[in-house]
Order: sequence, then structure tokens, then C-alpha cells
Amino acid sequence: DAGVIQSPRHEVTEMGQEVTLRCKPISGHDYLFWYRQTMMRGLELLIYFNNNVPIDDSGMPEDRFSAKMPNASFSTLKIQPSEPRDSAVYFCASSTRDRGEQYFGPGTRLTVT
Amino acid sequence: GQSLEQPSEVTAVEGAIVQINCTYQTSGFYGLSWYQQHDGGAPTFLSYNALDGLEETGRFSSFLSRSDSYGYLLLQELQMKDSASYFCAVSYNDMRFGAGTRLTVKP
Repeated sequence: DAGVIQSPRHEVTEMGQEVTLRCKPISGHDYLFWYRQTMMRGLELLIYFNNNVPIDDSGMPEDRFSAKMPNASFSTLKIQPSEPRDSAVYFCASSTRDRGEQYFGPGTRLTVT
Repeated sequence: GQSLEQPSEVTAVEGAIVQINCTYQTSGFYGLSWYQQHDGGAPTFLSYNALDGLEETGRFSSFLSRSDSYGYLLLQELQMKDSASYFCAVSYNDMRFGAGTRLTVKP
């Protein structure tokens, strides 16, 4: 199994630009999660999907952030416009019905200058 | 909501046993999970306790007591490669992670 796949692995962009992060979950997993990790705030859940439907987006910091899951094998997290404070590592994770056992992708390290 | 507390740092020597505690305040949850994260890497699932008691997976064991709002991760026969951060997490309507415990294993 290939595991959770994320792209790009690194992204450097200028403030105000649109950023799109991509994720392919493990085949057969019903849940998909987007997290953000920073030294100051630790690992934070942004949003999660069940069977492609967004269930809880209360962790999305503001309207600049949006996430979609058009099908069971693909999800995107978009930031528009990006700001320096969005700099972080963004992880995607997936799980089966048992949400306590999640499998994380390698992450995307985002730097906004 | 949920809040989890765990020690920020733990140091131990190779071959020893170390216990990382996690206390939580939550109105309800499905289970307690543990993840390992090496510097520059992604969190890796270690164990999950849906029920009270001990779960054993090789050198790692995890324990949960809902009545005491407490859980722990036990690492035995420590190896240098176990040096990493360890996070407890609770799953309910969302997923909350503790701030992590940085374990340093010394020779």
C-alpha cells in the first residue's frame, strides 16, 4: 500500500498568492483529515471528511481557508490569499471507521514570505 | 471540549523503561490514541485504547482509565531510535492532540 500521498512536499510562495495542497488517502479509508502543525500551536485539526462529506470545519482558521473532497481518492486544501502566519507543516491523514487509528501523509511544508 | 496534558520532556537511557502520562479533561470521547513523530517526519500511529485497560504492541503498551481521566504509553527496552516526540490524542466529534512529550534516549 502506498500510504497517504501529499503534494507538493515543499511550497514557498509570496504573501497574497493562492496555495493549493493535495492529498490522496489510503484506498478504502472513509475518513480524511487535514492538520496544521506549528511550534507555537502544535498539531491542530483543520477539517475532516467522512465519505467525501465535510463533517467538522470548526478548526479552519478563517475564510481564506477552504477544503474539498470531490471523490474518495482526492482532497485539496486551498489558502487564498496566503499570509506569512500560514507558514506551517500541513498534514493529511486518513482512517477507517475507527478514527483513533489515523495514517498520516509526509506533510507539506509551506513557507509564505 | 477536550484538553490533554502530558509532560513536555522525558529523558531515559538505552534499555530502560519509560512511561509517558496523559491526563485529559473531556466531556466524552471514543478512545485515546498515541502517535510517534521523529524530527522532520510525520506522526505515526502507535496504539489506540477504545476500552479501559492495557493494550500491548511489541515493546510499546498503552493504558486507559476513563474513571481516572488518565492514560499512559509505556516504552520498554528503549532504543536510540525511540528518541522522538510522542502525542496522545482523543477522538470524539473532532480529534485533539496533546502538546507532545519529547523523549530523549541516551546511551
